[in-house]
Amino acid sequence: DTGVSQDPRHKITKRGQNVTFRCDPISEHNRLYWYRQTLGQGPEFLTYFQNEAQLEKSRLLSDRFSAERPKGSFSTLEIQRTEQGDSAMYLCASSTDNAVHEKLFFGSGTQLSVL
Amino acid sequence: QQPVQSPQAVILREGEDAVINCSSSKALYSVHWYRQKHGEAPVFLMILLKGGEQKGHEKISASFNEKKQQSSLYLTASQLSYSGTYFCGTDNFGNEKLTFGTGTRLTIIP
Repeated sequence: DTGVSQDPRHKITKRGQNVTFRCDPISEHNRLYWYRQTLGQGPEFLTYFQNEAQLEKSRLLSDRFSAERPKGSFSTLEIQRTEQGDSAMYLCASSTDNAVHEKLFFGSGTQLSVL
Repeated sequence: QQPVQSPQAVILREGEDAVINCSSSKALYSVHWYRQKHGEAPVFLMILLKGGEQKGHEKISASFNEKKQQSSLYLTASQLSYSGTYFCGTDNFGNEKLTFGTGTRLTIIP
């Protein structure tokens, strides 16, 4: 069990640039989530996939954010025209879909700093 | 709506007990508890489903009061390894989307 893998671990970018993060979930997990966490806060839900289908996206999420999971395996999260307020830890989590309520396995996250 | 956790922070000596509370303004389908150590990913502790059940995991247990829309996490005879920030995640719609609280920072000192 290799766990949830995220790449890169750290990303520093200039305001206005585009960034893309990758998440590789645990191989047999059908559900994949993206969360964002800022210092001193709990993770904030961004979006959720069941296999390749994006089932829900936070209404608070700007149109600059887009996520894909093309083959139902790995996922990418892209942020276009980054702003300083986008600086945060971006966490990916995965779970099985054996039941409605399943525990989430989180990756170590990608720390984004927008200068 | 983000659940409210209390206390925000607590410092205990090894062997002491702690209670962390999580309250929601909306009806709850389930409550998840996670612990996050500094610089690491959140790690799952337990899930409680509506029905007022109580669960245990070694010296860590939790209760879920559906009527009060609250959950509490109990840590007994705390160990140094229990240090970290504890988050409750609430599911209000039965759709697996969790809303996390702001966390409770627990520090255990020898």
